[in-house]
Amino acid sequence: AQTVTQSQPEMSVQEAETVTLSCTYDTSENNYYLFWYKQPPSRQMILVIRQEAYKQQNATENRFSVNFQKAAKSFSLKISDSQLGDTAMYFCAFTLIMNRDDKIIFGKGTRLHILP
Amino acid sequence: KAGVTQTPRYLIKTRGQQVTLSCSPISGHRSVSWYQQTPGQGLQFLFEYFSETQRNKGNFPGRFSGRQFSNSRSEMNVSTLELGDSALYLCASSPGDRENTEAFFGQGTRLTVV
Repeated sequence: AQTVTQSQPEMSVQEAETVTLSCTYDTSENNYYLFWYKQPPSRQMILVIRQEAYKQQNATENRFSVNFQKAAKSFSLKISDSQLGDTAMYFCAFTLIMNRDDKIIFGKGTRLHILP
Repeated sequence: KAGVTQTPRYLIKTRGQQVTLSCSPISGHRSVSWYQQTPGQGLQFLFEYFSETQRNKGNFPGRFSGRQFSNSRSEMNVSTLELGDSALYLCASSPGDRENTEAFFGQGTRLTVV
């Protein structure tokens, strides 16, 4: 069975600092997608970044980047120049490409506080 | 393009009652997935529908059911409500063709069972 583990339940950083959220996952499959989702207090789940497992290059989206270590099954999210609007729950998630459905497996989340 | 719409946003029900939640996906999307979010268990997959057919089901009791209509709108139903069913229920919409796996979420329905 596939699992996603986020070891940091809660984190706080000062505005403009860089923060890294950790995520590890477990699967015996080779082809999958990894995601980071953000859920602000409004409850709307928003996709932050996506990584295809077959791509060696780490995905980046503006201030957000990932460190994808396939052999270690690690997928951390780095937020640079953090902003107050980055305050949210962050979920690491995973889906198998071979699946015939769009089931996503989520970690338990990391609550991130950006302090002014 | 309109986003994913879930109704109602909030719901309070009594133990033993049943409830129906609705999800309208993004236009053109044929897959709708449902998730239960609780503080203790996090986000757990309930089921996924594609072209009116259930493609996968999570590990939930039979009291949880769903369906999808020809316009891709989906409903989920929970019968004989229990206190532990109190949760945020999220719906996710995606093309469903497995070429594009990005899922778009609604704002959820907050169900409280008293």
